[in-house]
Amino acid sequence: GQQLNQSPQSMFIQEGEDVSMNCTSSSIFNTWLWYKQDPGEGPVLLIALYKAGELTSNGRLTAQFGITRKDSFLNISASIPSDVGIYFCAGQVGRGSQGNLIFGKGTKLSVKP
Amino acid sequence: DAGVIQSPRHEVTEMGQEVTLRCKPISGHDYLFWYRQTMMRGLELLIYFNNNVPIDDSGMPEDRFSAKMPNASFSTLKIQPSEPRDSAVYFCASSFTLYEQYFGPGTRLTVT
Repeated sequence: GQQLNQSPQSMFIQEGEDVSMNCTSSSIFNTWLWYKQDPGEGPVLLIALYKAGELTSNGRLTAQFGITRKDSFLNISASIPSDVGIYFCAGQVGRGSQGNLIFGKGTKLSVKP
Repeated sequence: DAGVIQSPRHEVTEMGQEVTLRCKPISGHDYLFWYRQTMMRGLELLIYFNNNVPIDDSGMPEDRFSAKMPNASFSTLKIQPSEPRDSAVYFCASSFTLYEQYFGPGTRLTVT
């Protein structure tokens, strides 16, 4: 079945630094989404991408849908302590009533003040 | 606006007991999903409904697991009998389209 490889598994950075993480697959995806999960909570949708090459921002977050449709990237600029959490990528193969979301294993972000 | 509501938030039960997890989706959302999250396997889709009808239950691990959606505002996930390996966080999510899913806070299940 389809698998998503998310990297890095964890990051420990200084406040103010920029962060980059990515998700790759051997399969083609039609939709990419990025979620953030805080401890004890459910994942929260950050950004949704629907077209190859699409670049979308949400505040300090920017995500891109790779041209090959097999990868996606998330960047966080000028990190702050509340950026701490686990970031998940999710991809969807089908369209319409088909296609389930497949989640990566997550990137755990720690920010040192 | 209220998000997805799940109850209970925590459940501790003994092996062999029946467990029922409950979910109230966001009003107006046509899709409802049940996920399980563990350290080893991450987030796994168990089943999803569209307009109260189960569409894909291929992720349900065994016959011990069952899910129902009797109306647009309520769904249950039942495990009978429960086993220690069922210990996990179970999330319910809902969406207006299939793509942008909104998750509830989860139910942390511990089976001893």
